[in-house]
Amino acid sequence: DTAVSQTPKYLVTQMGNDKSIKCEQNLGHDTMYWYKQDSKKFLKIMFSYNNKELIINETVPNRFSPKSPDKAHLNLHINSLELGDSAVYFCATGLAASNEQFFGPGTRLTVL
Amino acid sequence: GEDVEQSLFLSVREGDSSVINCTYTDSSSTYLYWYKQEPGAGLQLLTYIFSNMDMKQDQRLTVLLNKKDKHLSLRIADTQTGDSAIYFCAETNAGNNRKLIWGLGTSLAVNP
Repeated sequence: DTAVSQTPKYLVTQMGNDKSIKCEQNLGHDTMYWYKQDSKKFLKIMFSYNNKELIINETVPNRFSPKSPDKAHLNLHINSLELGDSAVYFCATGLAASNEQFFGPGTRLTVL
Repeated sequence: GEDVEQSLFLSVREGDSSVINCTYTDSSSTYLYWYKQEPGAGLQLLTYIFSNMDMKQDQRLTVLLNKKDKHLSLRIADTQTGDSAIYFCAETNAGNNRKLIWGLGTSLAVNP
């Protein structure tokens, strides 16, 4: 069983479109995250949710809207996609005590 | 704000030891982590150390923490070609909403 899964794995779309990336975890962790990794492999936190409540919002454009329908899911919706949104997006979950984070396999988004 | 720094590249010969270094600025750091990212994959937690520890060993991996100098290192003994990856250092403290502060990653190349 995959602990943190993301769909789709690859996403190729045109500028201006709206797209969603889904994340599901079966670890029972309370905290979930979205990260963006650019072409230089720099990792940047975007959002975190704890028990469906938004905890971290790192000055991400409001075209990006996370939604957490329940503790096991944190989806990322992106409106009006831009070329600069091309990156790999990682979902992760975190253990409460030690804050160890467990990452999904990533979604490679390419905006043409 | 807090910062984590790592050198970007390291090249070693197969069978040698690799030492990846990291410095951080957070005086209140509680946990420090090493993650590994293989090409095309998500990040995988290798090991972590609590800030009141000096050393942690796990098979071929040795983590050393010098809290006074705010220096963390990861030593990989008998480095293999399968160890070629990007290694990320990260840290957290109790008061930052479970946010990890990430280094930029060290790309380790293992030459046969």
